[in-house]
Amino acid sequence: DAKTTQPPSMDCAEGRAANLPCNHSTISGNEYVYWYRQIHSQGPQYIIHGLKNNETNEMASLIITEDRKSSTLILPHATLRDTAVYYCIVRVKGGNQFYFGTGTSLTVIP
Amino acid sequence: DVKVTQSSRYLVKRTGEKVFLECVQDMDHENMFWYRQDPGLGLRLIYFSYDVKMKEKGDIPEGYSVSREKKERFSLILESASTNQTSMYLCASSLEALGDSPLHFGNGTRLTVT
Repeated sequence: DAKTTQPPSMDCAEGRAANLPCNHSTISGNEYVYWYRQIHSQGPQYIIHGLKNNETNEMASLIITEDRKSSTLILPHATLRDTAVYYCIVRVKGGNQFYFGTGTSLTVIP
Repeated sequence: DVKVTQSSRYLVKRTGEKVFLECVQDMDHENMFWYRQDPGLGLRLIYFSYDVKMKEKGDIPEGYSVSREKKERFSLILESASTNQTSMYLCASSLEALGDSPLHFGNGTRLTVT
């Protein structure tokens, strides 16, 4: 599975959009992009995933570039409860391995 | 919503003890997984299972075994606990083996081996 690169930390003002980038330049055509987050002392929480089209759900939006080499997770109106470590993962369809890196620590500031 | 329940949030065991970590999911998922999470190392896959009585080794199976006698339950066994197995253990499940369904995690068991 392709590896991902994320900035180690980011800050965002409460109420503003949080845009979390992820590079996956070696992604192959059958690999999906998944986003999870982990709040301290809890298990990772699934947020969203996609293959090549942009996706939106009640939690976030996922924007994947046309060449699929990078993506951005958007939390439209960040709250203090969105403070967490966010993981970007690529995984081949049907693959049994989700490789979690060290993620981005997002701090939402009041 | 999918619910993955791990039987204990915190466990303290002694070196050499046999330790059982239990995990139950309530959504009839085919796949179940055990990870451990350590600072600076991210999540590492220990074992996973596609179906009842089926198991596959992950990246770090040494010192562990698993059991899946029922579809909803996946147990991780430390045959003889050692201090280097002190970690956060996370169980997860996913719907199907061949699709793109995401993993759903439990809240973890923090195991300390003294």
